[in-house]
Amino acid sequence: EVQLVESGGGLVQPGGSLRLSCAASGFTFESWWMHWVRQAPGKGLMWVARVNSGGGDTVYAESVKGRFTISRDDAKDTLYLQMNSLRGDDTAVYYCVRDDGAGFDPWGQGTLVTVSS
Amino acid sequence: DIQMTQSPSSLAASVGDRVTITCRASEGIRNDLDWYQQKPGKAPKRLIYTASTLQSGVPSRFSGGGSGTEFTLTISGLQPEDFATYYCLQHHSYPWTFGQGTKVEIK
Repeated sequence: EVQLVESGGGLVQPGGSLRLSCAASGFTFESWWMHWVRQAPGKGLMWVARVNSGGGDTVYAESVKGRFTISRDDAKDTLYLQMNSLRGDDTAVYYCVRDDGAGFDPWGQGTLVTVSS
Repeated sequence: DIQMTQSPSSLAASVGDRVTITCRASEGIRNDLDWYQQKPGKAPKRLIYTASTLQSGVPSRFSGGGSGTEFTLTISGLQPEDFATYYCLQHHSYPWTFGQGTKVEIK
């Protein structure tokens, strides 16, 4: 079964840092492009970042560019999102998703990041 | 950036009703559009990809159509488990963008 399991969320102060992880299983992780998508409480979905297979090419939403870094460790079948200089509007559930060439499938269960003092 | 305008933002319908949700893209995106269903507290689930292809395991009462700038998601014969929020996603060009969502509620 294809599965994505996020971890690393929690409460962080404004200006702080957090690293999210996404453990993949049930498929050949190294062959797939991967993304992060987030959802602020009670709001809609927002695409955050993408990394290609191999990890050499990344793309970011303008609102996180320069603060967030998406990366992957294919030896560990794990996707990461390093988040620095966090702000209140970064508060959201962060989802790890696989890009199957026609959008997102599957999605992880999400991990909540709360930025607050 | 490509803007996705989804309508309506919410609707109330009865079991058995036919429901149609629309997404309009600010520029042509060929058929690079998906539809997702999200229930409270859960991750979204893909229903339709490349505008009209039904995801494996999704009931045939769901259908998608359109190309270019206008797309529709139709639920033919609404079931109790279909009450949820629906989103479109364009994956034609970065940044990928979602519609604002349509909440389908029980009348």
